[in-house]
Amino acid sequence: EAQVTQNPRYLITVTGKKLTVTCSQNMNHEYMSWYRQDPGLGLRQIYYSMNVEVTDKGDVPEGYKVSRKEKRNFPLILESPSPNQTSLYFCASSLSWGKGYTFGSGTRLTVV
Amino acid sequence: QQQVKQSPQSLIVQKGGISIINCAYENTAFDYFPWYQQFPGKGPALLIAIRPDVSEKKEGRFTISFNKSAKQFSLHIMDSQPGDSATYFCAASNAGGTSYGKLTFGQGTILTVHP
Repeated sequence: EAQVTQNPRYLITVTGKKLTVTCSQNMNHEYMSWYRQDPGLGLRQIYYSMNVEVTDKGDVPEGYKVSRKEKRNFPLILESPSPNQTSLYFCASSLSWGKGYTFGSGTRLTVV
Repeated sequence: QQQVKQSPQSLIVQKGGISIINCAYENTAFDYFPWYQQFPGKGPALLIAIRPDVSEKKEGRFTISFNKSAKQFSLHIMDSQPGDSATYFCAASNAGGTSYGKLTFGQGTILTVHP
């Protein structure tokens, strides 16, 4: 089944403790992206990647890191999480521009 | 800076009615305008999309209307059904430069269709 898989689905962590949210797609898509969803703000793009080793900042990149060492994987790294990063995170992938993104099921992160 | 503004925030429609959600954008370089539908506990899913070379696109009960001069586009859901109750997001992107993957979303509209 073609899908975007992100893990974990739920995560509670403490301020300052480094964490990684994994994302993997099995559709051989070129583009991958991370979004955070907050009430009243919609979906805001954190980082996106056009291909292996090619990444660029979205609208809210502060406090996040990404890497694209393999085409299928695009992990999101929070080096020192803070409570304002408590949010619902989505990973997404797309075959090419204009084809639309396929989203994962989301990771609900709580930073206390 | 919100480059894509969506309204209304919430919408209640009776079964069989027409649901209309509006979006306005600022960046004239945008050239791809998709709509996404999101059910509770799920990720957004692509519903329908339009390019600026056409003024309207219809897929089943869903229609996008696009007004390039006004920098506005809207989603119309005809014969709305309770199963259409979801959050709807408009979005925009452009293929210029290195921004191929950059997709900007509106704030979302919570649609409730009463039986």
